[in-house]
Amino acid sequence: GAVVSQHPSWVICKSGTSVKIECRSLDFQATTMFWYRQFPKQSLMLMATSNEGSKATYEQGVEKDKFLINHASLTLSTLTVTSAHPEDSSFYICSAREGGWEPQHFGDGTRLSIL
Amino acid sequence: KNEVEQSPQNLTAQEGEFITINCSYSVGISALHWLQQHPGGGIVSLFMLSSGKKKHGRLIATINIQEKHSSLHITASHPRDSAVYICAVKLKTSYDKVIFGPGTSLSVIP
Repeated sequence: GAVVSQHPSWVICKSGTSVKIECRSLDFQATTMFWYRQFPKQSLMLMATSNEGSKATYEQGVEKDKFLINHASLTLSTLTVTSAHPEDSSFYICSAREGGWEPQHFGDGTRLSIL
Repeated sequence: KNEVEQSPQNLTAQEGEFITINCSYSVGISALHWLQQHPGGGIVSLFMLSSGKKKHGRLIATINIQEKHSSLHITASHPRDSAVYICAVKLKTSYDKVIFGPGTSLSVIP
């Protein structure tokens, strides 16, 4: 089945650092990638949708200058948490989809801890 | 009222039991996903369906579009089935928008 690789799986860093998370589709071309955030014992919350070669569409309340998304190729999207603070600590999950009627395939997530 | 609801919220079962997790929604959808999230956080897509029934191994998913309801069944449950099961619906009115249910936490005891 389709595989989405997310890296890193866990990162701990100091407050003020910028952190980049990568999401790669390994065996298909992902026209659309999604970035989610998940708080403990809660469901996924969509942060933004990105289509290859165009600017990401952010959900209401998500700061686009804080969470920079780049979808430069059909197999790679990156989420950069800029100047991270402890309140940004969370579980971030990406998913990728080949076409509009295809299911989303999820990465294994990145646990971000900001000290 | 949430647009996607699941029941039960938590479920504990003995190994071998037949398990049913329910999902109801109040919006028009083009498809419904059942997802499995393991304790480590990774998510696996189990099914995507828009009508009828699908079966994969010990898992069966059904959907009734008229009643806006879907069920996920697990036959002969096993401890490795312990996970959070999430129902997610793809809105008919939006190309991309998916709404996730709150999840059902399943523990299967040996």
